[in-house]
Amino acid sequence: EDQVTQSPEALRLQEGESSSLNCSYTVSGLRGLFWYRQDPGKGPEFLFTLYSAGEEKEKERLKATLTKKESFLHITAPKPEDSATYLCAVLGGAQKLVFGQGTRLTINP
Amino acid sequence: NAGVTQTPKFRILKIGQSMTLQCAQDMNHNYMYWYRQDPGMGLKLIYYSVGAGITDKGEVPNGYNVSRSTTEDFPLRLELAAPSQTSVYFCASNPGTSVDTQYFGPGTRLTVL
Repeated sequence: EDQVTQSPEALRLQEGESSSLNCSYTVSGLRGLFWYRQDPGKGPEFLFTLYSAGEEKEKERLKATLTKKESFLHITAPKPEDSATYLCAVLGGAQKLVFGQGTRLTINP
Repeated sequence: NAGVTQTPKFRILKIGQSMTLQCAQDMNHNYMYWYRQDPGMGLKLIYYSVGAGITDKGEVPNGYNVSRSTTEDFPLRLELAAPSQTSVYFCASNPGTSVDTQYFGPGTRLTVL
């Protein structure tokens, strides 16, 4: 059974304080690992897809990396507007997305 | 394009009542999905469809039904609502294969009392 575990559950940072969110996964035949951002009361918003170990993608202050067992979402010099819940999901051989429980990130000014 | 739209935004049901959650997309996407999200939890797949007339169960289908008569619409039916169905429901779509990015609607917050 495909599984995704995200850590930490919640993270508070000061503006400008860089950090990383972790997504550990077990999947039968990884076809893609997805990162989404979710603001309160809204649907998830797509950030990145990673397909194979060693792949990296960047968008503004965010950088996602992938190994065979986990993915990291690195946040560099975050701003208050980066506050959100970040969701990780994997797509395996069953061809259905399996989501982690999310990391709730708060950036204090 | 409006993307993925969902109605209603909020709804309160009494135990045993029925209702239909509406989902529509104007991107001509073949694949559509229904998820539920409980507090502090990830999204769980209820049902999905790979095209008009084709639907299949996800991880948590009990208590729900779906139909897909057109490419654009994918309604979710709740029969005999129970408190365990209190949740936020999200509809999503993607262009043509399961590997494609899924685009999500704004969600419907349902409370069953």
